[in-house]
Amino acid sequence: KNEVEQSPQNLTAQEGEFITINCSYSVGISALHWLQQHPGGGIVSLFMLSSGKKKHGRLIATINIQEKHSSLHITASHPRDSAVYICAVFSNTGNQFYFGTGTSLTVIP
Amino acid sequence: NAGVTQTPKFQVLKTGQSMTLQCAQDMNHNSMYWYRQDPGMGLRLIYYSASEGTTDKGEVPNGYNVSRLNKREFSLRLESAAPSQTSVYFCASSLPRTGDQPQHFGDGTRLSIL
Repeated sequence: KNEVEQSPQNLTAQEGEFITINCSYSVGISALHWLQQHPGGGIVSLFMLSSGKKKHGRLIATINIQEKHSSLHITASHPRDSAVYICAVFSNTGNQFYFGTGTSLTVIP
Repeated sequence: NAGVTQTPKFQVLKTGQSMTLQCAQDMNHNSMYWYRQDPGMGLRLIYYSASEGTTDKGEVPNGYNVSRLNKREFSLRLESAAPSQTSVYFCASSLPRTGDQPQHFGDGTRLSIL
């Protein structure tokens, strides 16, 4: 049983396309994080959300607490956006993080 | 700013050998973590340390030991490596372990056990 499910698992897009990655979770949470893992392997934190919407440059993250769902959008995608995007939630009962398996994004020039 | 530094980046071991993965952070964080990442699975917590001198088991602690040497350093030891421990290992740190604190990850250690 996976507490965090991401879709799609793999995504290929043409440069300039609008991209959406989805995350659904089954536990009560205090926060949801979106992480980016580049081909070199390093993982960086993109967003932390507990409600509503956040925007950093071309990236937008939204969360619907009632529906237990979050989306990560990338506008005007670029080849440098190619990476694995990981959704993680912090359970407010288990006091721990649960991680999704990631969405592998490839943006073709 | 170095952030979280892990060594080594790559390692190949034979079954039964031992080794220690090193991790250090320079952000004055209290909490440190060791995760493993396997294909088709999300990051899984091996051990967690809330502060110097304290450690707690995570989801997959069997076959591993840890030491929180001081506030900066958190090491992971494999006493007798097994092929099932072939994985990519990540160290991370954060301010107190709450959902509203981002975790800062090292670059990972790719470990192969033959």
